Amino acid sequence: DGGITQSPKYLFRKEGQNVTLSCEQNLNHDAMYWYRQDPGQGLRLIYYSQIVNDFQKGDIAEGYSVSREKKESFPLTVTSAQKNPTAFYLCASIPGAVNTGELFFGEGSRLTVL
Amino acid sequence: AQRVTQPEKLLSVFKGAPVELKCNYSYSGSPELFWYVQYSRQRLQLLLRHISRESIKGFTADLNKGETSFHLKKPFAQEEDSAMYYCALKGFGNEKLTFGTGTRLTIIP
Repeated sequence: DGGITQSPKYLFRKEGQNVTLSCEQNLNHDAMYWYRQDPGQGLRLIYYSQIVNDFQKGDIAEGYSVSREKKESFPLTVTSAQKNPTAFYLCASIPGAVNTGELFFGEGSRLTVL
Repeated sequence: AQRVTQPEKLLSVFKGAPVELKCNYSYSGSPELFWYVQYSRQRLQLLLRHISRESIKGFTADLNKGETSFHLKKPFAQEEDSAMYYCALKGFGNEKLTFGTGTRLTIIP
């Protein structure tokens, strides 16, 4: 089944702990994105990567880190520096390196900090 | 800076009635506008884009540069239209897609 796979679907973390959210795609897409979705705030861009070994900060990158060692993988680490990490996280990809506006989304990961 | 505003968080419409979901944007250059939809228990997906000028599932949206709007319309609502709708903007040559806060549309049978 082709597409974008995010794991885990649900994750609980204690304050002060780092956590890594996985995003894998087998669509052979070049660019990948991480968004954060909060009630009443829509989707906000955290990081994006157009090619392997390169990534750019989005609008709310503070407290997050990413890596892009392989084309198919774009993991997001939520660090203890992120002040309000409880949220729904969405990963997306597009076929080329240039954003045409048509993003393909994963099912999301819900992170809850206890 | 680019910004998208969806003034209605919730919108309820009777089946068969017309639907209009509002979207206004702020961008100094040439924008590309999109509507995304998320049905219950499904992934967020692209519904339509302004450059295509096409009707998808009966929905249309016209870019009005004078009013900086990109409202989504459908003449006769159907129950399966109930979903969360997001308006999004991409600036020309910009890699960022900026989303609005979304409108939850509920069609009343």
